[in-house]
Amino acid sequence: QSVLTQPPSVSGAPGQRVTISCTGSSSNVGATYDVHWYQYLPGTAPKLLIYANSNRPSGVPDRFSGSKSGTSASLAITGLQAEDEADYYCQSYDSSLSGSVFGGGTKVTVL
Amino acid sequence: EVKLVESGGGPVKPGGSLRLSCAASGFTFRSYSMNWVRQVPGKGLEWVSSISSSGSYIDYADSVKGRFTISRDNAKNSLYLQMNSLRAEDTAVYYCARHFMAVAGTPRPFDYWGQGTLVTVSS
Repeated sequence: QSVLTQPPSVSGAPGQRVTISCTGSSSNVGATYDVHWYQYLPGTAPKLLIYANSNRPSGVPDRFSGSKSGTSASLAITGLQAEDEADYYCQSYDSSLSGSVFGGGTKVTVL
Repeated sequence: EVKLVESGGGPVKPGGSLRLSCAASGFTFRSYSMNWVRQVPGKGLEWVSSISSSGSYIDYADSVKGRFTISRDNAKNSLYLQMNSLRAEDTAVYYCARHFMAVAGTPRPFDYWGQGTLVTVSS
């Protein structure tokens, strides 16, 4: 069971907006630790999508956005495209475990 | 172009050992802290270990502490993971990942990852 909780799956039609939640606690997301988001296609290298809660690395489309409030963070994908079909993971740090922690992952399906 | 290429994975029996390597190119390896992250088939990502740019600071997940050893050779632009006393639950794809050093927060994100190498622990 992952320290950070994500919904197992979300889906949407092309062009729609979907959001993925990442819920933690006061020892990780609720503390002063950053949340990062990755896109993962099995068999390939994970890709950094959002860092430090809401920042996009160069080359990541502005359709992807992140936010953090309290003990939760969210990744939003607007204008959903077929190529966005992948698994998405959040990452933060947990002071009780003294290490990086990931969410369980969310599979995004484009209908 | 930043490239991270893992090798050394394969089948191993419970209690056995394996050494993973990660060859880095396209950046100044000695300036970056590095990590190993794994994914158990059908499950999520799990951070395994980190090592600072000089190798002087090392950290491990509790699940591997005392069994795995991370190291690096800056002269060879290489990262290693020595895995001993392997268990079935260590079966996973192991990724080498670079810390995004321009980001100062905690935790630092991983900005580049390799393609991974599969370790299968089974009798």
